[in-house]
Amino acid sequence: DAGVTQSPTHLIKTRGQQVTLRCSPKSGHDTVSWYQQALGQGPQFIFQYYEEEERQRGNFPDRFSGHQFPNYSSELNVNALLLGDSALYLCASSLADYQETQYFGPGTRLLVL
Amino acid sequence: RKEVEQDPGPFNVPEGATVAFNCTYSNSASQSFFWYRQDCRKEPKLLMSVYSSGNEDGRFTAQLNRASQYISLLIRDSKLSDSATYLCVRGDSGGYQKVTFGTGTKLQVIP
Repeated sequence: DAGVTQSPTHLIKTRGQQVTLRCSPKSGHDTVSWYQQALGQGPQFIFQYYEEEERQRGNFPDRFSGHQFPNYSSELNVNALLLGDSALYLCASSLADYQETQYFGPGTRLLVL
Repeated sequence: RKEVEQDPGPFNVPEGATVAFNCTYSNSASQSFFWYRQDCRKEPKLLMSVYSSGNEDGRFTAQLNRASQYISLLIRDSKLSDSATYLCVRGDSGGYQKVTFGTGTKLQVIP
């Protein structure tokens, strides 16, 4: 049973660039949530996708956008990167009816120079 | 008050000791709570769910106090492998589950 996978594992970008991170949910899961975790902080909720639509969003600017595909996989896009966007980006999957139990992927470490 | 607040620690305890963490939350309407464990440079993993009556899983006991708006995690007979950051998580009520993480409490179990 494949767990949540994310790619790439590490990424280095420069300010102003754009980045796309990818996530494949755990087999059988239909809901994907994205989190940003800065060093020494807890994960901060970015948004959640279900049935290919964003249905909840945290306090993140419009530079952060996403997409969910028919196979439930998801992408997180960040435009106009800032130094402060450097963080671990975590994807978590769950079942719509059991969203309380989320399974996290290993994350993508993004460094913005 | 922060939505979910934890003492960042670190808590340095000897093997075999009992250690307890508290976590306070600000939204009295919150329905569910969880403890996640995060090892260094790894993803968070669900440790326990905490419901109204609290629950126990082996050496781990979680309690919920709605009146005072806090949850606790008790670890008995600490092992070296318990060293990690413990994240308190609040699940909001409503149709779409949104969870809010605390900043985590770091535990270091010393031989």
